[in-house]
Amino acid sequence: QSVLTQPPSVSAAPGQKVSISCSGSISNIGNNYVSWYQHVPGTAPKLLIFDNRHRPSGIPDRFSGSKSGTSATLVITGLQTGDEADYYCGTWDRSLSGAVIFGGGTKVTVL
Amino acid sequence: QVQLVQSGAEVKKPGASVKVSCKASGYTFTSYDINWVRQATGQGLEWMGWVNPTSGNTRYAQRFQGRVIMTRDTSISTAYMEVSSLRSEDTAVYYCARARTAANYDFDDWGQGTLVTVSS
Repeated sequence: QSVLTQPPSVSAAPGQKVSISCSGSISNIGNNYVSWYQHVPGTAPKLLIFDNRHRPSGIPDRFSGSKSGTSATLVITGLQTGDEADYYCGTWDRSLSGAVIFGGGTKVTVL
Repeated sequence: QVQLVQSGAEVKKPGASVKVSCKASGYTFTSYDINWVRQATGQGLEWMGWVNPTSGNTRYAQRFQGRVIMTRDTSISTAYMEVSSLRSEDTAVYYCARARTAANYDFDDWGQGTLVTVSS
């Protein structure tokens, strides 16, 4: 069971919007930056968002991130079939001698 | 462009060890830490630790301490991750990932993954 809690799945039609939540605690999200990754099984994960809300070059602005307190959210607008993937939040956790932790992942399905 | 190319799939028996390599190109190898993350079948991502290519210093996730060794060879820009005393639960795809910053909490480039199967 992951320290960071994500919904197992979300779905929407092409062109619509989905939001993925990531819930943690004061020892992780509450005191550290959050990143988001897109992972198509069989390929390398891709960094979508870093430092809560910043996009690496090449990531479209359809992907946006935010953080409030001990939770973070990834929003995908203008959903495309190519967005079908697993999405993971990640951050540093200062308990357990410190570690990078990930959420359990959320499967995005484009209907 | 940045590339991390990992070694091929491995099949090991329980109790054996496996060593996975990750060859970096397209950037200065010693400028960024290399992390290792694994994904067991049907499971999420799990961080294992990092190696600093300049100093060779390492930091391991608590659950892997004593069973994982991360090293590097700067002459060939390659990082290695060795897991010993393998058990069936170690069957997973292992990824190397470059840390985006020295803070080492997010990763901007990843290897293609190496499947390690532990089976008798």
